[in-house]
Amino acid sequence: DSGVTQTPKHLITATGQRVTLRCSPRSGDLSVYWYQQSLDQGLQFLIQYYNGEERAKGNILERFSAQQFPDLHSELNLSSLELGDSALYFCASSVRGVGGANTGELFFGEGSRLTVL
Amino acid sequence: KNQVEQSPQSLIILEGKNCTLQCNYTVSPFSNLRWYKQDTGRGPVSLTIMTFSENTKSNGRYTATLDADTKQSSLHITASQLSDSASYICVVSASDMRFGAGTRLTVKP
Repeated sequence: DSGVTQTPKHLITATGQRVTLRCSPRSGDLSVYWYQQSLDQGLQFLIQYYNGEERAKGNILERFSAQQFPDLHSELNLSSLELGDSALYFCASSVRGVGGANTGELFFGEGSRLTVL
Repeated sequence: KNQVEQSPQSLIILEGKNCTLQCNYTVSPFSNLRWYKQDTGRGPVSLTIMTFSENTKSNGRYTATLDADTKQSSLHITASQLSDSASYICVVSASDMRFGAGTRLTVKP
């Protein structure tokens, strides 16, 4: 058990809909990362938050947004869903490294599997 | 071009055999390199971390090497087991983290 909790584990929805994925980081971890993994593909970095503020952005679509709340949990909102958004969405947390660098070990949740029909 | 390249893309070996996975990177400046193991449908889990000054590090049957001069790392798996079937991901940290696409290893009985 990594200590990172993601809900829901599975989600099936229709095109055009909106969903929210939730992540609770490990106790004490201030950084939260979101990744998308399509079938048989590598992990694609979406976005990172550190202590409530956005720190880095990857290949995140404009239809997607995220936030980190004061209690450090994070939500990833996916809207106007398309078939191609079907994927595993992973959340990871870490303690930010010395000097603010992202060098710490990532602890991943078990993922939320989104299926868009 | 991805700054972290892994090879081979996939590999099939028989149970009990050894194998070596490769990771070449161009990320600079270098902070550390981690190997993660990702079982199908699960979140990745860190196996080892290599810093600039380390050449070799072992974790059970897993041994990682690092050549910071040539910017190459390898992950050697000894006496493979069926449970080693997974994707192995190389992640290089500089000011941020760069992920390789992974090597999918299948161990057959």
